Amino acid sequence: AQSVTQLDSQVPVFEEAPVELRCNYSSSVSVYLFWYVQYPNQGLQLLLKYLSGSTLVKGINGFEAEFNKSQTSFHLRKPSVHISDTAEYFCAVSGNEKLTFGTGTRLTIIP
Amino acid sequence: GAVVSQHPSRVICKSGTSVKIECRSLDFQATTMFWYRQFPKQSLMLMATSNEGSKATYEQGVEKDKFLINHASLTLSTLTVASAHPEDSSFYICSARGGALSNEQYFGPGTRLTVT
Repeated sequence: AQSVTQLDSQVPVFEEAPVELRCNYSSSVSVYLFWYVQYPNQGLQLLLKYLSGSTLVKGINGFEAEFNKSQTSFHLRKPSVHISDTAEYFCAVSGNEKLTFGTGTRLTIIP
Repeated sequence: GAVVSQHPSRVICKSGTSVKIECRSLDFQATTMFWYRQFPKQSLMLMATSNEGSKATYEQGVEKDKFLINHASLTLSTLTVASAHPEDSSFYICSARGGALSNEQYFGPGTRLTVT
């Protein structure tokens, strides 16, 4: 079985400030980890993924995430956010063919 | 590449009618497609996994007679909500995976179903 925990349901951040969205996972097998972004009334867009290799993964729109096996975490970071980053962010884990999603974090950028 | 489309994007229907939602992989062959349901301000819940040419595998608690899934070709899967009721109103999202892209799922834009 696998699960994903996103502790922060909402994160307000001032424009141009840094942000970290937290994600912790549990799985009995090796995993692949993903971050997706969802804009209102739209599907999911892949931000980045960890499959193997370097634990620091860079994605689109200036986001990056670090896989930490000992802490079973995959936190998402951006050094300077923009208004356009306002969206829902989902962390997901896949140890088999299925994706298990976290409950999501609403990122709100304050002008 | 790796584009997935859904049709329709929005549908409003009366209670008791059936609604079909199409999911297509536009530029790759999808051996596996997934159907998710998302309630407002909630996460995606996997409903079923469909493999081309075989019966779909439904998650626990999902009624297979109500949510009919057909994956007749490598580029098309359909979800039919049979005899829809207001509680079936939701955002339905499909994803597709296949071939050289099998490490991840590519998501469609979603279909907003409203049952009145």
